[in-house]
Amino acid sequence: IVMTQSPATLSVSPGESATLSCRASQSVRSSVAWYQQTPGQAPRLLIYGASTRATGIPARFSGSGSGTEFSLTISSLQSEDVGVYYCQKYNTWPHTFGQGTKVEI
Amino acid sequence: QAQLVQSGAEVKNPGASVRVSCQASGYEFTAYFIHWVRQAPGQGLEWMGRINPNSGGANYAHKFLGRVTMTADTSTTTAYMDLNNLRYDDTAVFYCARLKSGLPLDAWGQGTLVTVSS
Repeated sequence: IVMTQSPATLSVSPGESATLSCRASQSVRSSVAWYQQTPGQAPRLLIYGASTRATGIPARFSGSGSGTEFSLTISSLQSEDVGVYYCQKYNTWPHTFGQGTKVEI
Repeated sequence: QAQLVQSGAEVKNPGASVRVSCQASGYEFTAYFIHWVRQAPGQGLEWMGRINPNSGGANYAHKFLGRVTMTADTSTTTAYMDLNNLRYDDTAVFYCARLKSGLPLDAWGQGTLVTVSS
């Protein structure tokens, strides 16, 4: 199963919202996670089960979708949200990642 | 609180092998798979494979079959990733992360930089 993210890069003004997309080549039900990676850091889990925020993740991050179409929305973007965001399927192996979306201010 | 601590950076010649370790603490080691993820410089995340510390069984991404071996030592709660026949394009940061069945990668190691250079 291939995970395809779009767009590759997203430029957003502070306070605006950003919507990132992830498409699976076959249904993965709701077994999609989103990770944030800031420069020089390990990835951090944001969302799992397509829409459940991980512990400590701010409410401005939200996820939706099921089957093959998924999205991550960052409402009211803040400067610390700059980084690369990856989706991943985790229901069965191989646990493929999307190629990432870079979010910049 | 779950913690995964990886071994330090390595520099290897082409054709050599490397072993990266990942020591787990703060949780029941055998209750979670350990996954390995590669990230080449400036590139995205690439899933390499996983090991079940409870059974020792491992699954590998097709791309790494024949070159990678993942093992786990329950006595030291440490997982290992061995990659052999290193090539220049294996230069990357390697991460370990844990996953419980039905859940995602919720804790990650700090990453280990492996540089392949002559």
